[in-house]
Amino acid sequence: GAGVSQSPSNKVTEKGKDVELRCDPISGHTALYWYRQRLGQGLEFLIYFQGNSAPDKSGLPSDRFSAERTGESVSTLTIQRTQQEDSAVYLCASSDVLDTQYFGPGTRLTVL
Amino acid sequence: AQKITQTQPGMFVQEKEAVTLDCTYDTSDPSYGLFWYKQPSSGEMIFLIYQGSYDQQNATEGRYSLNFQKARKSANLVISASQLGDSAMYFCAMRDPQSSGGYNKLIFGAGTRLAVHP
Repeated sequence: GAGVSQSPSNKVTEKGKDVELRCDPISGHTALYWYRQRLGQGLEFLIYFQGNSAPDKSGLPSDRFSAERTGESVSTLTIQRTQQEDSAVYLCASSDVLDTQYFGPGTRLTVL
Repeated sequence: AQKITQTQPGMFVQEKEAVTLDCTYDTSDPSYGLFWYKQPSSGEMIFLIYQGSYDQQNATEGRYSLNFQKARKSANLVISASQLGDSAMYFCAMRDPQSSGGYNKLIFGAGTRLAVHP
């Protein structure tokens, strides 16, 4: 079946602009995660959504970052007033009750 | 605090040989899960193998096996019969046992870049 998809695959923006990143999870997966990967580094957890429960936002680095999810479907990660340090690959993953997370291809964000 | 350590920034292996990628972890929780992911140059994270802390046997998936030594808190990935397509970054990750609800976030190590030579 279809895997996790993300759009856009690449985004170049100017400092101070807002960006929206989209994630379509695997159908039926109740949990959805966002991670950030800076160049040459491992993944940092940002936020996760689990069904209808309140999301775990403990990894969001600042109040410029926010995310929403509609039910058990699409999620959007919004970064307001982007800064150069926001440049990274943003990866989305989803999982079912078996816990293994399956990742999308990521969105490469470049802030000029 | 939970932590994953991968001490090998880069590894080289000849095609068809076996290679071991090291991973150590730190947690005080008795229930945890360990994962290995592969990240080729395309950027996508590909799930390889999973080991639960209560699993009695080492996990295996095709050419991948996990050498799980609980007392030493290590979970090394062994790739047998390396192929050129195995060249990639490899990340060890642990399910954060302090997360709630059964859908736990992952804590990742810094990764090991594996290069397979012909």
